[in-house]
Amino acid sequence: GIQVEQSPPDLILQEGANSTLRCNFSDSVNNLQWFHQNPWGQLINLFYIPSGTKQNGRLSATTVATERYSLLYISSSQTTDSGVYFCAVDMNRDDKIIFGKGTRLHILP
Amino acid sequence: EPEVTQTPSHQVTQMGQEVILRCVPISNHLYFYWYRQILGQKVEFLVSFYNNEISEKSEIFDDQFSVERPDGSNFTLKIRSTKLEDSAMYFCASSVSDIWAYEQYFGPGTRLTVT
Repeated sequence: GIQVEQSPPDLILQEGANSTLRCNFSDSVNNLQWFHQNPWGQLINLFYIPSGTKQNGRLSATTVATERYSLLYISSSQTTDSGVYFCAVDMNRDDKIIFGKGTRLHILP
Repeated sequence: EPEVTQTPSHQVTQMGQEVILRCVPISNHLYFYWYRQILGQKVEFLVSFYNNEISEKSEIFDDQFSVERPDGSNFTLKIRSTKLEDSAMYFCASSVSDIWAYEQYFGPGTRLTVT
């Protein structure tokens, strides 16, 4: 099956810093989503981005489908950005999505 | 903005008991899913449901699990006889099928603790 690898596994930054999280996947995909899991365990949809670039406030994401990777950018980090960021992909329409192991981000005040 | 809801937020049960986790997907969505996340691990697919039947299930989804859409709004996951290893966060998700997007929307999760 499709493999999803996220890097780095852990990231500790000072408030105000910028960060780049990476997601590599092993096959062509129809769906790629980024999620933020907050300290209460909730999964928050960040981006649906099977290709191209999107921006939402301090967050942006780029997926280069032909090279099988996606990047999540967080600018001017805040402590509320802490948590685990997951990338999830699927190859087929309306199919299960496969999650990576996540990047645990810790923003220090 | 429409959202997926789940109840209860936390369920504690004794080993061997039956539990039913409830979800209300977004109203115009056609595809429904259950995922689980054991503490500290990644989110894993359990089952997908479309047109009142299971469309795909993982190897985790054994005979102890079942899903149902009892009416036009609810989607349930039943675990018949819970085991300690069923302790996890269970997420419901839904998506609408159209030619533009297949984004899955997740509920806030139910934390199941089996003692």
